[in-house]
Amino acid sequence: GENVEQHPSTLSVQEGDSAVIKCTYSDSASNYFPWYKQELGKRPQLIIDIRSNVGEKKDQRIAVTLNKTAKHFSLHITETQPEDSAVYFCAATLSNFGNEKLTFGTGTRLTIIP
Amino acid sequence: GAGVSQSPRYKVAKRGQDVALRCDPISGHVSLFWYQQALGQGPEFLTYFQNEAQLDKSGLPSDRFFAERPEGSVSTLKIQRTQQEDSAVYLCASSHSGRGALSTDTQYFGPGTRLTVL
Repeated sequence: GENVEQHPSTLSVQEGDSAVIKCTYSDSASNYFPWYKQELGKRPQLIIDIRSNVGEKKDQRIAVTLNKTAKHFSLHITETQPEDSAVYFCAATLSNFGNEKLTFGTGTRLTIIP
Repeated sequence: GAGVSQSPRYKVAKRGQDVALRCDPISGHVSLFWYQQALGQGPEFLTYFQNEAQLDKSGLPSDRFFAERPEGSVSTLKIQRTQQEDSAVYLCASSHSGRGALSTDTQYFGPGTRLTVL
């Protein structure tokens, strides 16, 4: 089955600086890669996703890049703000006409230092 | 509109008790997933429903875990004879896509049920 590794496990950055979180996956057939943000005691919320037919996607301060050859994808947050502090999870799945069970990484606790 | 809801939000059980956790998906969503999230870890897949059909239960850790979605809407995850290692947050997610969908749809998560087994 799929295996997703995520680094770093914790990350502290100064407010206004950029944060980068990296993930690798094992199953070359995986074709959908979402990123979720989870605040303490709250539900995971999708912040951005990318499909295997594109290499990069941006949404305001958030971007995701995908390298299919190397089987890794990264989340980039620019101009970080205190409200970006949370745990971020990457995930991978094979889109299979419905059963898109997600395999998650172990999470990155991001702390923005004011 | 209303998102995915789960109840109860918190459940404390004594070892050996049976528990039932409820998930109300977003109306009209075909796919429903259950995940288990241990403290400090990412969610791990338990089982998947497409409408009322349970098409994948490969992630259920033992035969003490049972899930159903009899009318293709509300789902219940039941854990029999709970053990301490069952303590975790149980997350439910739903998505619009199902059989015949050509692309992956976003999975929307509920707030989870935190189960503590004493």
